[in-house]
Amino acid sequence: KAGVTQTPRYLIKTRGQQVTLSCSPISGHRSVSWYQQTPGQGLQFLFEYFSETQRNKGNFPGRFSGRQFSNSRSEMNVSTLELGDSALYLCASSLDSGGGNSPLHFGNGTRLTVT
Amino acid sequence: AQTVTQSQPEMSVQEAETVTLSCTYDTSESDYYLFWYKQPPSRQMILVIRQEAYKQQNATENRFSVNFQKAAKSFSLKISDSQLGDAAMYFCAYRSPNTGNQFYFGTGTSLTVIP
Repeated sequence: KAGVTQTPRYLIKTRGQQVTLSCSPISGHRSVSWYQQTPGQGLQFLFEYFSETQRNKGNFPGRFSGRQFSNSRSEMNVSTLELGDSALYLCASSLDSGGGNSPLHFGNGTRLTVT
Repeated sequence: AQTVTQSQPEMSVQEAETVTLSCTYDTSESDYYLFWYKQPPSRQMILVIRQEAYKQQNATENRFSVNFQKAAKSFSLKISDSQLGDAAMYFCAYRSPNTGNQFYFGTGTSLTVIP
C-alpha cells in the first residue's frame, strides 16, 4: 500500500506570495491532518479534514486554509506569506477521526522557505 | 490544551545498549492515548509504539517498550539492544478522545547511537 504522498518536497517563495501544498493519503484513509514543524515551536496542529469537512482547527491565522476532495486528497493554502511561515509542513492520514488509538501516518513533508 | 514535556533534548547510547527517553504530560482527562514517533533525517515521522490510558499493561513492540505511569503522568520509552538505525528525533505525543486527530507533541529528544 502506498504511503502518504506530499508534493512538492521543497518550495521557495517570496513574502506576500501564496502557496498551495498537496497531500494524498493512504488509500482508504478518510482523515487528513496538517502540522507545521519549526525548530522554535516544534510540531503544531493546523487542521484536520474528514470526509471533506474541517473537523478541527489549530491556533493559526486565517491565512492558513485547507480543503479536502471527495477522493480524500487534501490541499493546504497559505496566503500573504511571511518569513515566519518558513517551516516543514507535514501531512498525516488516519483511518478515522474518532480520537481512538488509530495512529497518524505521516508523509515526508514539504519544506517551505519564505524569503 | 494538553502539554507534553520531553526534558532531554539530546541523548546518546552505545550500540547494543539500552536507553530510556522521558516524557511527561499534563491533562485532566482520564481517557486518552499516548504515542512515540521517530523522525529520522528523511523527515518522515514513523510510529514507534502506542498506549491506551485505560490499559494498565505497558505496550511493547519488539525492542521498544514503554513505562506508563498514569498517576505520575509519565510515559517513557525504552529502547533495548540499540541499533545504528535507531538514531533519530523521538517525539512523544498525546491524543485526547475528544479532539479527533489533534495530537499534542513534545519538543523531541535527539538520539545518537555510538558504534
